[in-house]
Amino acid sequence: EDQVTQSPEALRLQEGESSSLNCSYTVSGLRGLFWYRQDPGKGPEFLFTLYSAGEEKEKERLKATLTKKESFLHITAPKPEDSATYLCAVSGGTSYGKLTFGQGTILTVHP
Amino acid sequence: NAGVMQNPRHLVRRRGQEARLRCSPMKGHSHVYWYRQLPEEGLKFMVYLQKENIIDESGMPKERFSAEFPKEGPSILRIQQVVRGDSAAYFCASSPMGQGASGEQYFGPGTRLTVT
Repeated sequence: EDQVTQSPEALRLQEGESSSLNCSYTVSGLRGLFWYRQDPGKGPEFLFTLYSAGEEKEKERLKATLTKKESFLHITAPKPEDSATYLCAVSGGTSYGKLTFGQGTILTVHP
Repeated sequence: NAGVMQNPRHLVRRRGQEARLRCSPMKGHSHVYWYRQLPEEGLKFMVYLQKENIIDESGMPKERFSAEFPKEGPSILRIQQVVRGDSAAYFCASSPMGQGASGEQYFGPGTRLTVT
């Protein structure tokens, strides 16, 4: 069974203080690893897809990387508007449509 | 380009009633997925549908829950005889690619079901 573990559960940063969120996964035959952002009371918003180890994607202050066992979401010089829950999910094995999500990391950026 | 639409956004039902949740996928998307987010828990996959077909319902509870995606109209998640444990946020997602692909899914705003 696919498993996704995210750490830390919560992260508090000062504006401009860079950091990283971790997503460890176990999946039989990874077909894609996905990062989403979720604001309170809203649906997850798609950020990145990574397909193979060594791949990197960037968008504004966010950069996602992938190894064979984990993914990192690096946040450079965060702003208060980056505060949200960040979710990691994997697709793999024979479950073609199913995404398995981690519990998420709640990020709070203080001005 | 409108995103995934879900209605109602909030639904209150008494124990024993039926709940019907609707989802219209993004334009051009023919694959629909339903997920449930219980309080203090992560998103859990329920079912994957294409038009007139259930592809994977491995996450659906065995009883009281059903889903459909008819040829015309929105996808429907139906919960019969609701119980308090059904209270949760239900999210629909859609994608242009489906079985065999690894494309991303785009989520709607969710329906928050409260069972009293």
